[in-house]
Amino acid sequence: DIQMTQSPSTLSASVGDRVTITCRASQSISSWLAWYQQKPGKAPKLLIYKASSLESGVPSRFSGSGSGTEFTLTISSLQPDDFATYYCQQYNSLPTFGQGTKVEIK
Amino acid sequence: EVQLVESGGGLVQPGRSLRLSCTASGFTFGDYAMSWVRQAPGKGLEWVGFIRSKAYGGTTEYAASVKGRFTISRDDSKSIAYLQMNSLKTEDTAVYYCTRDSMYSSSSDFFDYWGQGTLVTVSS
Repeated sequence: DIQMTQSPSTLSASVGDRVTITCRASQSISSWLAWYQQKPGKAPKLLIYKASSLESGVPSRFSGSGSGTEFTLTISSLQPDDFATYYCQQYNSLPTFGQGTKVEIK
Repeated sequence: EVQLVESGGGLVQPGRSLRLSCTASGFTFGDYAMSWVRQAPGKGLEWVGFIRSKAYGGTTEYAASVKGRFTISRDDSKSIAYLQMNSLKTEDTAVYYCTRDSMYSSSSDFFDYWGQGTLVTVSS
């Protein structure tokens, strides 16, 4: 199995901050990476696929980058609606998720 | 509008069985693979398994943690995917989500639509 490691596990930030979350794969996954946002009690929501493609309807302040084993999710200007937990997922082989990054209010 | 609605969750004793259903609407169900993803209370996401579309053989793949105990099937005429869970363990306690998977590939992909989830509690 391909292991996915996210950092940090928790991130404290303020509205308007630029936020970056990192996801590392235990082996190369090319660009087969997705990012999801999950709020408490809700299903995850797809934000980014193929490492950098923005899902339809997702605000442009979200962006993804990377290839191979290192990837980032960036929120250019954090909004109140963005406080949530974020997960990366690889689909180069049978899917695996990172452990999640909780974005909290500072 | 794409909708996925899970049902069948509940409280079950260890060692017993349970079948979850996922009723889909708003898209051509038979064209897509379907995956199940679970989330234990307070924990992260874990992919459980998926079923390919008939175009790719309708075959299945599973996570090691459930292989041999869980079975995914589909009824394209009713737009329903099933997750049959046998020999349940306390560690299978989780919210189970049905997700829409790939259309153009024989491998699992990213998940663009998710159901609301159904809670399965395995306890004596």
